[in-house]
Amino acid sequence: RKEVEQDPGPFNVPEGATVAFNCTYSNSASQSFFWYRQDCRKEPKLLMSVYSSGNEDGRFTAQLNRASQYISLLIRDSKLSDSATYLCVVARWAGANNLFFGTGTRLTVIP
Amino acid sequence: GAVVSQHPSRVICKSGTSVKIECRSLDFQATTMFWYRQFPKQSLMLMATSNEGSKATYEQGVEKDKFLINHASLTLSTLTVTSAHPEDSSFYICSARIFGAGNFNEQFFGPGTRLTVL
Repeated sequence: RKEVEQDPGPFNVPEGATVAFNCTYSNSASQSFFWYRQDCRKEPKLLMSVYSSGNEDGRFTAQLNRASQYISLLIRDSKLSDSATYLCVVARWAGANNLFFGTGTRLTVIP
Repeated sequence: GAVVSQHPSRVICKSGTSVKIECRSLDFQATTMFWYRQFPKQSLMLMATSNEGSKATYEQGVEKDKFLINHASLTLSTLTVTSAHPEDSSFYICSARIFGAGNFNEQFFGPGTRLTVL
């Protein structure tokens, strides 16, 4: 079983729509969780960390459900510039070097 | 945010040759750098962890004699793919972790090097 699993999409949504991505992780001992964004043929960039209490950054909201080993990302009022691949990333413990990446969910926002 | 550069961005080589990829942290010191590989439609996979002044730590299944890593300074790590073969064609990305950063796990990624072995 993969360490991190994501729905690969693609998700094609109109501008202004709300879209949600889900991710599950297999190791219950995992401690740190992130969403990264990767544009086509570019490097991944940290979008936001995910905390147990849930956290919000502008139009982006991340949620963590440890009991279900489930992470989500909600994007409200989608912009064209949100088109990218969103990577769910998990680390086994806070100081871990090894980040486990999902295969990513491709989002295209349509005018 | 912190900037990590990689050189070259793209390389095409013949089978059997060796290719060196450089990863530099431009505005910070990185005691630890990481090398990832990404095949098409697959996730990034960690190949090795590069520690300044010591030997790299390789992930299971990655041949240390084929993928030579040198981290001679706090701002530079190099990955050499020795005797490259077509199956080594991939997108190689390095990342660096800021020494003493509060968000201990935040890694900053380089722009990647696309290797094509003919």
